[in-house]
Amino acid sequence: AQSVTQLGSHVSVSEGALVLLRCNYSSSVPPYLFWYVQYPNQGLQLLLKYTSAATLVKGINGFEAEFKKSETSFHLTKPSAHMSDAAEYFCAVSDNAGNMLTFGGGTRLMVKP
Amino acid sequence: DTAVSQTPKYLVTQMGNDKSIKCEQNLGHDTMYWYKQDSKKFLKIMFSYNNKELIINETVPNRFSPKSPDKAHLNLHINSLELGDSAVYFCASSQNGWGYNEQFFGPGTRLTVL
Repeated sequence: AQSVTQLGSHVSVSEGALVLLRCNYSSSVPPYLFWYVQYPNQGLQLLLKYTSAATLVKGINGFEAEFKKSETSFHLTKPSAHMSDAAEYFCAVSDNAGNMLTFGGGTRLMVKP
Repeated sequence: DTAVSQTPKYLVTQMGNDKSIKCEQNLGHDTMYWYKQDSKKFLKIMFSYNNKELIINETVPNRFSPKSPDKAHLNLHINSLELGDSAVYFCASSQNGWGYNEQFFGPGTRLTVL
């Protein structure tokens, strides 16, 4: 069975500071990994995904994530936080057949002025 | 043009009632899903359909019955609503057959059972 753990249900950073959101996964097969963002009262929007091509994946809005097999991690980073980045972020792993996503518990990012 | 749409956006109802949520996607995708997001924001798969065929049913009570009249639609009917059914329900879709395909999510339906 696959699982995802997001360390830190709440992360607070100052505007302009580095954003680091942690994600560790468990999968018996090479994983497909995703980061989604959810703004208040909205659906989920894909930030980026890892599909076994490059280990460093660039996404929208200046976010990127690095797949590290040895650490079973897929942490999300952004060099400089913006107020508009405040949202809930979800890491997820897909089964090979695309039948379902298994989500982590989410991390709420707060950005202080 | 909205890619994945759901109606209604909000649903408030009494315990014991029966209600439906509709979902439509205009992306030409073969696979559709229902997810439940609880009050702690935890997201869990309920059902997935591929070409109108049920693929995943994640131990959801049989009061929940998905129906896919065609590839573009996946509706969710809930009988005898309970307080614990209060949640946000998300519909999603993706291209067929591969785990690397992104899932596109609808805006969600917030169900409140009183």
